[in-house]
Amino acid sequence: QKEVEQDPGPLSVPEGAIVSLNCTYSNSAFQYFMWYRQYSRKGPELLMYTYSSGNKEDGRFTAQVDKSSKYISLFIRDSQPSDSATYLCAMSEIYNQGGKLIFGQGTELSVKP
Amino acid sequence: DGGITQSPKYLFRKEGQNVTLSCEQNLNHDAMYWYRQDPGQGLRLIYYSQIVNDFQKGDIAEGYSVSREKKESFPLTVTSAQKNPTAFYLCASSATPGGTNEKLFFGSGTQLSVL
Repeated sequence: QKEVEQDPGPLSVPEGAIVSLNCTYSNSAFQYFMWYRQYSRKGPELLMYTYSSGNKEDGRFTAQVDKSSKYISLFIRDSQPSDSATYLCAMSEIYNQGGKLIFGQGTELSVKP
Repeated sequence: DGGITQSPKYLFRKEGQNVTLSCEQNLNHDAMYWYRQDPGQGLRLIYYSQIVNDFQKGDIAEGYSVSREKKESFPLTVTSAQKNPTAFYLCASSATPGGTNEKLFFGSGTQLSVL
């Protein structure tokens, strides 16, 4: 079993839809949770960063962490064609372990006009 | 503009050949990383370096080598011992390992293919 599982998709939605992207994990020691967005053949860029459980909102994006269920989500409201990309979840046990960041497989999202 | 520059964008390797992927950053970051990305497998860590002249193996270091002679540069060599080198290679950096808001900055990647 992989430490982090993410539905690879592809996921196709109409413009304006609410998108839910999810990851599950097995390591209860994970404390830091991140979402990266990767456009085709480009490097990932950090979208959201949360510590422990709870919600974090940034514009149209909301990240949720449920440590009791070992489940994290990224919600995109009013999705736009420019949101079409691959979304990668990532997590780590403690903050100074950059070399130990564990990534999910990535979910490919397509937002149709 | 500050950032991470990877070159070349596309690279082809012949059987038995070693090839070197370049990664340069002008962000004054201490830590640098190399990841490999295969379809459906996310990013896997090859090597990382937290300081000049020091580096550690990641999860899939076999068949790869690195050097960190300068803070700005972290080249990756894919040796002939790496039997399945076709992948998208990503270089990343972060300001200070141990920071409370460590954020990885990525380059645009190098696609390596076998001839």
